[in-house]
Amino acid sequence: AQKVTQAQTEISVVEKEDVTLDCVYETRDTTYYLFWYKQPPSGELVFLIRRNSFDEQNEISGRYSWNFQKSTSSFNFTITASQVVDSAVYFCALILDSSNTGKLIFGQGTTLQVKP
Amino acid sequence: EAQVTQNPRYLITVTGKKLTVTCSQNMNHEYMSWYRQDPGLGLRQIYYSMNVEVTDKGDVPEGYKVSRKEKRNFPLILESPSPNQTSLYFCASRRSPDSLSYNEQFFGPGTRLTVL
Repeated sequence: AQKVTQAQTEISVVEKEDVTLDCVYETRDTTYYLFWYKQPPSGELVFLIRRNSFDEQNEISGRYSWNFQKSTSSFNFTITASQVVDSAVYFCALILDSSNTGKLIFGQGTTLQVKP
Repeated sequence: EAQVTQNPRYLITVTGKKLTVTCSQNMNHEYMSWYRQDPGLGLRQIYYSMNVEVTDKGDVPEGYKVSRKEKRNFPLILESPSPNQTSLYFCASRRSPDSLSYNEQFFGPGTRLTVL
């Protein structure tokens, strides 16, 4: 069965600290896609990144970076020099290339609070 | 502008009073789906539709109905809402669920439903 686990329910940091959000996934499929979404207090889902299973290159986008390691089935997300505006719920998600339901499998979410 | 719209955005209702949450997309997408989001559980798929008149159950379909009479619309119907259906609901659409190459999933802004 496929599963996404975000073990950190809540994280609290002080502004300018670096923070890493963990994501571990389970699947036997070889072709899949991984995602991170941000959900600010307003409630909408904001797409951050998509990675396919054949692309293990780490990615950096401004203060955001993602570390994809197939060997450990992890797709961790780091925010460098966090800001108050980063406070949100973050979801990691998985979709299988073979899926016949088109379903995104979400983790439980990690609530990040960045204090000034 | 390409978008998925949902209405209403907020709804407070009472047990047993039938309600419909509308979802509409303007991208001519074949695939649409509904998710509910609950604390500690992430987002879970309720129903999905591969195309007009083709719908199927997701992981948590009990207490919900859907219809897909037109390509652009995919309403979620709660015939007799109960308090355990209090949740945040998201509609989503994709060009198609085909696995040949990933096509982006677009989410609506969410509908916050409270059933008293």
